[in-house]
Amino acid sequence: EDQVTQSPEALRLQEGESSSLNCSYTVSGLRGLFWYRQDPGKGPEFLFTLYSAGEEKEKERLKATLTKKESFLHITAPKPEDSATYLCAVQSSGNTGKLIFGQGTTLQVKP
Amino acid sequence: EPEVTQTPSHQVTQMGQEVILRCVPISNHLYFYWYRQILGQKVEFLVSFYNNEISEKSEIFDDQFSVERPDGSNFTLKIRSTKLEDSAMYFCASSRRTEAFFGQGTRLTVV
Repeated sequence: EDQVTQSPEALRLQEGESSSLNCSYTVSGLRGLFWYRQDPGKGPEFLFTLYSAGEEKEKERLKATLTKKESFLHITAPKPEDSATYLCAVQSSGNTGKLIFGQGTTLQVKP
Repeated sequence: EPEVTQTPSHQVTQMGQEVILRCVPISNHLYFYWYRQILGQKVEFLVSFYNNEISEKSEIFDDQFSVERPDGSNFTLKIRSTKLEDSAMYFCASSRRTEAFFGQGTRLTVV
């Protein structure tokens, strides 16, 4: 069964304090690993797709990396507006595009 | 920028009533999905829809649920005989290939 586990559940950082979020996964053939940002009461907002081990993607202060068992979302010099819940999801090959989500990491960045 | 639109944003219904949640996917997308998120829990897959038929559904998506694409733009989720445990955020998503884009959700409250 495909599974996604994210850690930590919650993370509090000072503005400018870099850190990483972890996403461990087991999947029967990875088609893609996805990172989303979710603000309270809103829908997930697409950030990145990673397809194969060794791949990296960057967007502003965020950088996502992928290995065969996990993905990291690195946040460099975060700002308060980066506060949100970050969701990781996997899509397995041979299915219909279904995403299996982790429970998310809630990030709070204090000024 | 194209986006997925959901209506209503909030729906309150009596237990046992039927509700229809509506979505307008991004216009050139081919794959459509419904997910739900119970407060404080993971985003869960309900159903995927392609080429005017259900391509995959989860165990949650039982006979109480149905989906329809009544015209070229709308995609609906019908929940018959709602139960208290159906209270959740319901998200519609659409994709052209692998990346799914989500709407802002409908908060369904069953009383």
